[in-house]
Amino acid sequence: DADVTQTPRNRITKTGKRIMLECSQTKGHDRMYWYRQDPGLGLRLIYYSFDVKDINKGEISDGYSVSRQAQAKFSLSLESAIPNQTALYFCATSEGGAGVEKLFFGSGTQLSVL
Amino acid sequence: DQQVKQNSPSLSVQEGRISILNCDYTNSMFDYFLWYKKYPAEGPTFLISISSIKDKNEDGRFTVFLNKSAKHLSLHIVPSQPGDSAVYFCAASANWNGNKLVFGAGTILRVKS
Repeated sequence: DADVTQTPRNRITKTGKRIMLECSQTKGHDRMYWYRQDPGLGLRLIYYSFDVKDINKGEISDGYSVSRQAQAKFSLSLESAIPNQTALYFCATSEGGAGVEKLFFGSGTQLSVL
Repeated sequence: DQQVKQNSPSLSVQEGRISILNCDYTNSMFDYFLWYKKYPAEGPTFLISISSIKDKNEDGRFTVFLNKSAKHLSLHIVPSQPGDSAVYFCAASANWNGNKLVFGAGTILRVKS
């Protein structure tokens, strides 16, 4: 089983709809992240959480919200989806602490907003 | 303004030859630099990293070189194999920024057999 699991893998929705992407992990890491990947832009940070009671905005948080339901669960919501939110979304975890921060990614959710 | 830049969208290399992927950054305060590899339909996976206090780190066929004065790093893959065909992302982090990773746009590497 994957250490970082994202559901769904693919989703097509319509403009204005609310949608939730879910992420769960079995790595026991405190830190969790949501990134989106767009061609030519790489991976950009949407939100991150360093523990259950900690939520922080990343560089592109507008139009998104998150919920950290437990150490192992971190969900991303689009309250009213718009076409430019069409992208590949990744959840990631890390152990935290000093030194290099290695992220462990899920397999991604391809979201299309029509 | 992108702090981490990968100016080559794609690279094609013959099997057995060297692949060199380049990355430039603008913030001299970055403490660590990482390379991630991504296959289609999978998430990125960590490949190799280097601390800002070093200029070289090697792991098997993969070597990362850091030139701080030029704010430039490169990933060398020798010899290249068809299984190395993937998207490679350069990333950087800084202690003052909670070690959050900032990624480049990625370079698609194709290794031809």
